[in-house]
Amino acid sequence: AQRVTQPEKLLSVFKGAPVELKCNYSYSGSPELFWYVQYSRQRLQLLLRHISRESIKGFTADLNKGETSFHLKKPFAQEEDSAMYYCALSGQDNFNKFYFGSGTKLNVKP
Amino acid sequence: DAGITQSPRHKVTETGTPVTLRCHQTENHRYMYWYRQDPGHGLRLIHYSYGVKDTDKGEVSDGYSVSRSKTEDFLLTLESATSSQTSVYFCAISESDREGQPQHFGDGTRLSIL
Repeated sequence: AQRVTQPEKLLSVFKGAPVELKCNYSYSGSPELFWYVQYSRQRLQLLLRHISRESIKGFTADLNKGETSFHLKKPFAQEEDSAMYYCALSGQDNFNKFYFGSGTKLNVKP
Repeated sequence: DAGITQSPRHKVTETGTPVTLRCHQTENHRYMYWYRQDPGHGLRLIHYSYGVKDTDKGEVSDGYSVSRSKTEDFLLTLESATSSQTSVYFCAISESDREGQPQHFGDGTRLSIL
């Protein structure tokens, strides 16, 4: 069964500090992985997808199939990065159904 | 932003009443999804649609039904609302089911069942 685990409910860092939001997945096939960001009471916005290997707003994420992880990283956190972050998995079953982790709230302190 | 409109944006109603939430898209995408968002659970899939009149259940479908009579509209109905259905509901669309296709989300409907 598909599962996405985000072990940290809350992560607090100071401005300028490095950030790593953890995401581990369980999937028998070859998954597609995404990071979404949700600013306070707004819609979820696509931040990254592993297939495109982009860097958005200074964030990067690398798929590690050996460790079944897709951790989100940023070398220097900014206050405007404070938001809820969701890791999501799309399997190769059908219909592009997504499975989301429970989310990590990032709080960047001044 | 993807052209997705959810209505209403907020609703308060009483236990036992029927509730219908609407998702409207202007992208002509084939795939549409309804999720609920709850603290500690993230987003969970309620129902999804892969075409007009083609729908199927997600992981938390009990107590919900859906309909899609037109490509642009996907309706979520709570036949008899219960307090456990108090949540924020998000609609999402996807252009296709090809690998790596992202989903794009609406602004959400905040539903309170008293």
